[in-house]
This record gives sequence, structure tokens and C-alpha cells, in this order.
Amino acid sequence: TQLLEQSPQFLSIQEGENLTVYCNSSSVFSSLQWYRQEPGEGPVLLVTVVTGGEVKKLKRLTFQFGDARKDSSLHITAAQPGDTGLYLCAGAATGNQFYFGTGTSLTVIP
Amino acid sequence: NAGVTQTPKFQVLKTGQSMTLQCAQDMNHEYMSWYRQDPGMGLRLIHYSVGAGITDQGEVPNGYNVSRSTTEDFPLRLLSAAPSQTSVYFCASSPVAGKLFFGSGTQLSVL
Repeated sequence: TQLLEQSPQFLSIQEGENLTVYCNSSSVFSSLQWYRQEPGEGPVLLVTVVTGGEVKKLKRLTFQFGDARKDSSLHITAAQPGDTGLYLCAGAATGNQFYFGTGTSLTVIP
Repeated sequence: NAGVTQTPKFQVLKTGQSMTLQCAQDMNHEYMSWYRQDPGMGLRLIHYSVGAGITDQGEVPNGYNVSRSTTEDFPLRLLSAAPSQTSVYFCASSPVAGKLFFGSGTQLSVL
């Protein structure tokens, strides 16, 4: 059972374009995290959102947690080739158990 | 700055063989976990541990065993490998609350 569904699964855009990745679930999570993974490496944490409606910005990346704490979005402004990678959302269940989304593979073409 | 270390990086097994994937962390984290990553399915939790001597099952535990005799080490054992266990395996550790620190993964092929 996949608790978190991400869309789109694949995204290929030109440098300078904007994009949004979605992470949806029917479950409520105490917090939600976004990770980025590069080929041959493990995921690296980008941000954690905890409060419903919370918005966090990390340079050109904007993360939002849904009011009901069931969904989240990641918006990238003016994408750059360095943003290329696999983006994963992860919802925290009990304790430190994290359930990961299906992933969005982003390619930014120079 | 070792962080989370996984060995081996690559492994090829024949069906029915057994092996242990090693994971060690030097950050004194209580929580450790194992995930497998398959195309289009993100990461799925296999087993986790909240401290030495304590382990529990995740989403996909069948075919895997773990133990946690020390805070630092959390090995994953495949008792009788099957082709369905072909995957990339990641070990992660975490302090009491929050951020997961991942190793660089083990790519396993079962023929």
C-alpha cells in the first residue's frame, strides 16, 4: 500500500521554467519532509514542514503543507540544471517511521 | 565525517544464497532503518530499530531479518535470496526526532 502519491512521475523542462510537484495522501501525518536524491546516492533532506498551511522557502524552492496535513507541494522557480534529480516526499507516522512517496524525476535541460 | 556507511556497494547473488548487508553510523543516532528502492515506488520501509536490542517490521519485511546489538550497527540479512529482492537498499539513521541520514546504497541483483 503506497500511502503517498506524487505527481508527476517524470518532468522534463527547460532551464528558467517554473514547476510544481505534488504529494498527496488520504492519511494525516505529523510532519512531512522533502528529499532530493542524485544518481548513486542516498536521499538528502531539503525541508520539514510540521504545521497545516505552513509555507517554507529555500532559495528558489517553496514548500507548502496542506491545511489538513494530508498533502504537500514543492514549487521551483526558474529551474536550473543543478535542480535535476529525484524528489521524494516522506510523511512521518508514529515515532520516526517515515512513508515515502513514489518520487518525481526532474530533468532540467540547459 | 563518515555518517552512514553501507557495504558492499554492489552485490550479485544466485537464487537461494544468503548474505548480509552492512550498515554502520557514527552519529550516535538511536533510530536506524532499512529501505528498498524500486522504480516508480519510491522507498519502502523494510525494518527499523529505535535503539539497541529493539527492532520492528516495516511495510515489506518478508524475506529479511535484522538485529541491533549495538547503537552503531544495523545489518540486514537475506536468508534465501529471491529475484524479487533485486533492488537498491538504503540504510538510514535519525536522531530522536526528524531528519533521516542515508547511506549511499547497495545495489543488489538476484539471478
